[in-house]
Amino acid sequence: DQQVKQNSPSLSVQEGRISILNCDYTNSMFDYFLWYKKYPAEGPTFLISISSIKDKNEDGRFTVFLNKSAKHLSLHIVPSQPGDSAVYFCAASAANSGYALNFGKGTSLLVTP
Amino acid sequence: DAGITQSPRYKITETGRQVTLMCHQTWSHSYMFWYRQDLGHGLRLIYYSAAADITDKGEVPDGYVVSRSKTENFPLTLESATRSQTSVYFCASWRAGRNEQFFGPGTRLTVL
Repeated sequence: DQQVKQNSPSLSVQEGRISILNCDYTNSMFDYFLWYKKYPAEGPTFLISISSIKDKNEDGRFTVFLNKSAKHLSLHIVPSQPGDSAVYFCAASAANSGYALNFGKGTSLLVTP
Repeated sequence: DAGITQSPRYKITETGRQVTLMCHQTWSHSYMFWYRQDLGHGLRLIYYSAAADITDKGEVPDGYVVSRSKTENFPLTLESATRSQTSVYFCASWRAGRNEQFFGPGTRLTVL
């Protein structure tokens, strides 16, 4: 049973525009959320995270928003760059889970020049 | 170099053979993890370890064995490989303070 869902397998955005990647979760025990970026033949690399006590976290061009009541989070990339083209994974963890991560299936982002 | 290394990077084996995937980290992080990535499933947790000699099952542990005699090493063994274990395997460690997991480059395993 998928506890973290990324319902859009792919997204295409023009360079300079905003990319919005969405993620939903079902487990109310999740209290920490992360976004990872993955290029082919490489391991996932950490991008940005947010604790459940916050509703927004920014790091340069990347912002993550958390809506706890809707069990929804989103990653905004502004402005999008061709180098952002990759697969983005949403992940969540619960305090009593030994820091193990539950991943979504990923969204493939393509940023076109 | 500091970080997480996995070996081998690519492995082809036959059904029924035993295979061990190696994972080594240079940071002395307490927690380590094994995930597998399959099309249509994202990454799924196989096993994790909170410290040397402490391991626990994840979402998909069947057919796998782990051990952790030293903090820096966390090998994953497929005792009798099956075709359904064809996958890309990622090892990770958790960094306290930053509250993020660092991933290795992955091992692509094919079971014929």
